[in-house]
Amino acid sequence: SQQGEEDPQALSIQEGENATMNCSYKTSINNLQWYRQNSGRGLVHLILIRSNEREKHSGRLRVTLDTSKKSSSLLITASRAADTASYFCATAIIQGAQKLVFGQGTRLTINP
Amino acid sequence: EAQVTQNPRYLITVTGKKLTVTCSQNMNHEYMSWYRQDPGLGLRQIYYSMNVEVTDKGDVPEGYKVSRKEKRNFPLILESPSPNQTSLYFCASRPLSGEQFFGPGTRLTVL
Repeated sequence: SQQGEEDPQALSIQEGENATMNCSYKTSINNLQWYRQNSGRGLVHLILIRSNEREKHSGRLRVTLDTSKKSSSLLITASRAADTASYFCATAIIQGAQKLVFGQGTRLTINP
Repeated sequence: EAQVTQNPRYLITVTGKKLTVTCSQNMNHEYMSWYRQDPGLGLRQIYYSMNVEVTDKGDVPEGYKVSRKEKRNFPLILESPSPNQTSLYFCASRPLSGEQFFGPGTRLTVL
Protein backbone atom coordinates (compact mmCIF):
# COMPACT_ATOMS: atom_id res chain seq x y z
CA SER A 1 0.00 0.00 0.00
CA GLN A 2 1.06 3.59 -0.52
CA GLN A 3 1.73 6.30 2.02
CA GLY A 4 -1.64 7.97 2.47
CA GLU A 5 -4.43 5.68 1.29
CA GLU A 6 -8.02 6.83 1.61
CA ASP A 7 -10.93 4.55 2.30
CA PRO A 8 -13.49 4.25 0.85
CA GLN A 9 -12.63 5.24 -2.71
CA ALA A 10 -16.17 6.47 -3.21
CA LEU A 11 -18.99 7.31 -0.81
CA SER A 12 -22.57 8.28 -1.58
CA ILE A 13 -24.93 9.45 1.17
CA GLN A 14 -28.10 11.47 1.66
CA GLU A 15 -28.03 15.13 2.52
CA GLY A 16 -28.04 15.63 6.26
CA GLU A 17 -26.18 12.40 7.03
CA ASN A 18 -22.64 12.30 8.35
CA ALA A 19 -19.76 11.28 6.08
CA THR A 20 -16.64 9.56 7.37
CA MET A 21 -13.49 9.06 5.35
CA ASN A 22 -10.37 7.29 6.51
CA CYS A 23 -6.71 7.62 5.70
CA SER A 24 -3.91 5.18 6.50
CA TYR A 25 -0.21 5.78 6.15
CA LYS A 26 3.01 3.88 6.58
CA THR A 27 5.85 6.09 7.83
CA SER A 28 6.24 8.55 10.68
CA ILE A 29 4.74 11.91 9.99
CA ASN A 30 5.11 15.50 11.16
CA ASN A 31 1.50 16.35 10.42
CA LEU A 32 -1.45 15.17 8.37
CA GLN A 33 -3.62 17.42 6.25
CA TRP A 34 -6.97 17.06 4.54
CA TYR A 35 -7.80 18.75 1.25
CA ARG A 36 -10.91 19.06 -0.84
CA GLN A 37 -11.12 19.19 -4.64
CA ASN A 38 -14.13 20.15 -6.66
CA SER A 39 -14.16 18.53 -10.08
CA GLY A 40 -11.15 19.61 -12.16
CA ARG A 41 -10.21 22.43 -9.80
CA GLY A 42 -7.29 23.05 -7.47
CA LEU A 43 -7.18 21.45 -4.06
CA VAL A 44 -8.25 23.53 -1.10
CA HIS A 45 -6.77 23.02 2.35
CA LEU A 46 -9.33 22.02 5.00
CA ILE A 47 -7.50 21.18 8.18
CA LEU A 48 -4.06 20.26 9.53
CA ILE A 49 -3.48 18.02 12.52
CA ARG A 50 -0.03 17.68 14.05
CA SER A 51 1.45 14.37 15.13
CA ASN A 52 1.06 15.25 18.82
CA GLU A 53 -2.67 16.06 18.42
CA ARG A 54 -5.46 13.51 18.56
CA GLU A 55 -8.49 15.47 17.44
CA LYS A 56 -9.25 18.75 15.74
CA HIS A 57 -12.45 20.54 14.77
CA SER A 58 -13.26 23.15 12.18
CA GLY A 59 -16.92 23.99 11.67
CA ARG A 60 -18.65 20.79 10.54
CA LEU A 61 -15.33 19.00 10.14
CA ARG A 62 -13.79 16.74 12.74
CA VAL A 63 -10.42 15.10 12.19
CA THR A 64 -8.86 12.43 14.38
CA LEU A 65 -5.35 11.08 14.29
CA ASP A 66 -4.14 7.81 15.77
CA THR A 67 -0.37 7.63 15.33
CA SER A 68 -0.20 4.16 16.91
CA LYS A 69 -2.43 2.83 14.13
CA LYS A 70 -1.06 5.24 11.54
CA SER A 71 -4.53 6.34 10.59
CA SER A 72 -6.73 9.41 10.45
CA SER A 73 -10.39 10.03 9.84
CA LEU A 74 -12.32 12.99 8.49
CA LEU A 75 -15.92 13.37 9.61
CA ILE A 76 -18.25 15.81 7.90
CA THR A 77 -21.40 16.28 9.94
CA ALA A 78 -24.82 17.28 8.60
CA SER A 79 -23.67 16.96 4.99
CA ARG A 80 -24.88 19.31 2.28
CA ALA A 81 -25.07 18.94 -1.49
CA ALA A 82 -22.23 21.47 -1.73
CA ASP A 83 -19.94 19.04 0.12
CA THR A 84 -19.88 16.87 -3.00
CA ALA A 85 -16.19 16.72 -3.94
CA SER A 86 -13.09 14.58 -3.70
CA TYR A 87 -11.25 14.57 -0.39
CA PHE A 88 -7.55 13.86 -0.07
CA CYS A 89 -5.34 13.25 2.89
CA ALA A 90 -1.73 14.35 2.69
CA THR A 91 0.96 13.21 5.07
CA ALA A 92 3.88 15.49 5.82
CA ILE A 93 6.94 13.28 6.06
CA ILE A 94 10.47 14.23 6.87
CA GLN A 95 12.56 13.67 3.75
CA GLY A 96 15.08 16.45 3.50
CA ALA A 97 12.49 19.16 3.20
CA GLN A 98 9.16 18.23 4.63
CA LYS A 99 7.37 16.45 1.82
CA LEU A 100 3.61 16.19 1.39
CA VAL A 101 2.45 12.85 0.04
CA PHE A 102 -1.12 12.69 -1.23
CA GLY A 103 -3.43 9.73 -1.29
CA GLN A 104 -5.70 8.97 -4.21
CA GLY A 105 -8.75 10.49 -2.58
CA THR A 106 -12.31 9.64 -1.65
CA ARG A 107 -15.03 10.73 -4.03
CA LEU A 108 -17.96 11.94 -1.89
CA THR A 109 -21.41 12.42 -3.39
CA ILE A 110 -24.19 14.00 -1.35
CA ASN A 111 -27.63 13.23 -2.74
CA PRO A 112 -30.33 15.89 -2.17
CA GLU B 1 -5.68 38.23 -2.14
CA ALA B 2 -3.30 35.37 -1.37
CA GLN B 3 -3.17 33.10 -4.37
CA VAL B 4 -1.26 30.88 -6.76
CA THR B 5 -1.82 31.62 -10.42
CA GLN B 6 -1.08 29.41 -13.40
CA ASN B 7 -1.15 30.09 -17.10
CA PRO B 8 -2.44 28.93 -19.42
CA ARG B 9 -5.45 27.18 -17.91
CA TYR B 10 -6.00 25.06 -21.02
CA LEU B 11 -3.52 24.09 -23.71
CA ILE B 12 -3.68 21.80 -26.71
CA THR B 13 -0.38 21.24 -28.45
CA VAL B 14 1.43 18.76 -30.67
CA THR B 15 4.20 16.31 -29.91
CA GLY B 16 7.63 17.91 -29.74
CA LYS B 17 6.58 21.55 -29.52
CA LYS B 18 8.24 23.11 -26.48
CA LEU B 19 5.92 24.72 -23.98
CA THR B 20 6.08 26.51 -20.65
CA VAL B 21 3.41 26.67 -17.98
CA THR B 22 3.91 29.63 -15.67
CA CYS B 23 3.25 29.66 -11.95
CA SER B 24 3.35 32.59 -9.58
CA GLN B 25 2.54 33.02 -5.88
CA ASN B 26 2.16 36.21 -3.86
CA MET B 27 2.57 34.78 -0.35
CA ASN B 28 6.38 34.84 -0.12
CA HIS B 29 6.40 31.07 0.31
CA GLU B 30 9.71 29.27 0.20
CA TYR B 31 8.42 25.93 -1.04
CA MET B 32 6.84 25.45 -4.47
CA SER B 33 5.85 22.27 -6.29
CA TRP B 34 4.43 20.98 -9.51
CA TYR B 35 2.04 18.02 -9.56
CA ARG B 36 0.25 16.12 -12.23
CA GLN B 37 -3.09 14.47 -11.63
CA ASP B 38 -4.22 11.47 -13.63
CA PRO B 39 -7.29 9.24 -13.13
CA GLY B 40 -6.52 6.35 -10.83
CA LEU B 41 -3.04 7.67 -10.02
CA GLY B 42 -3.87 10.60 -7.78
CA LEU B 43 -1.52 13.54 -7.41
CA ARG B 44 2.11 12.92 -8.21
CA GLN B 45 4.87 15.42 -7.57
CA ILE B 46 6.98 16.32 -10.59
CA TYR B 47 9.49 18.80 -9.17
CA TYR B 48 9.81 20.95 -6.12
CA SER B 49 11.83 23.92 -4.96
CA MET B 50 12.76 24.85 -1.42
CA ASN B 51 13.95 28.33 -2.31
CA VAL B 52 15.47 30.45 -5.07
CA GLU B 53 17.92 28.47 -7.21
CA VAL B 54 17.14 25.27 -5.24
CA THR B 55 15.13 22.67 -7.15
CA ASP B 56 14.86 18.91 -6.92
CA LYS B 57 13.11 16.00 -8.57
CA GLY B 58 9.83 14.69 -7.27
CA ASP B 59 8.36 11.30 -8.08
CA VAL B 60 7.81 11.72 -11.85
CA PRO B 61 10.37 14.22 -13.21
CA GLU B 62 11.11 12.61 -16.58
CA GLY B 63 10.34 14.91 -19.49
CA TYR B 64 10.04 18.06 -17.38
CA LYS B 65 12.27 20.93 -16.33
CA VAL B 66 11.78 23.74 -13.84
CA SER B 67 13.59 26.86 -12.74
CA ARG B 68 13.39 29.11 -9.68
CA LYS B 69 15.11 32.38 -10.47
CA GLU B 70 12.75 34.42 -8.32
CA LYS B 71 10.94 33.43 -5.16
CA ARG B 72 7.48 34.05 -6.57
CA ASN B 73 7.81 32.21 -9.92
CA PHE B 74 8.25 28.53 -10.67
CA PRO B 75 7.68 27.73 -14.37
CA LEU B 76 7.27 24.18 -15.65
CA ILE B 77 8.95 23.49 -18.98
CA LEU B 78 8.22 20.63 -21.35
CA GLU B 79 11.07 20.66 -23.88
CA SER B 80 9.56 18.00 -26.15
CA PRO B 81 6.03 17.11 -25.03
CA SER B 82 4.66 13.65 -25.70
CA PRO B 83 1.10 12.30 -25.54
CA ASN B 84 1.78 10.59 -22.19
CA GLN B 85 2.21 14.05 -20.69
CA THR B 86 -1.46 14.80 -21.34
CA SER B 87 -2.70 15.52 -17.84
CA LEU B 88 -4.03 18.05 -15.36
CA TYR B 89 -1.16 20.02 -13.83
CA PHE B 90 -1.16 21.89 -10.54
CA CYS B 91 1.33 24.32 -9.12
CA ALA B 92 1.39 24.74 -5.35
CA SER B 93 3.21 26.76 -2.74
CA ARG B 94 3.54 26.72 1.03
CA PRO B 95 5.80 27.77 3.87
CA LEU B 96 8.37 25.08 4.70
CA SER B 97 5.94 23.61 7.23
CA GLY B 98 2.23 24.24 6.86
CA GLU B 99 -0.75 24.20 4.60
CA GLN B 100 -0.31 24.13 0.85
CA PHE B 101 -2.01 26.48 -1.58
CA PHE B 102 -2.83 25.19 -5.03
CA GLY B 103 -3.23 26.96 -8.32
CA PRO B 104 -6.40 26.45 -10.40
CA GLY B 105 -4.80 23.85 -12.68
CA THR B 106 -3.67 23.63 -16.29
CA ARG B 107 -5.30 21.03 -18.50
CA LEU B 108 -2.75 19.98 -21.09
CA THR B 109 -3.46 17.85 -24.15
CA VAL B 110 -0.57 16.68 -26.31
CA LEU B 111 -1.62 15.32 -29.70
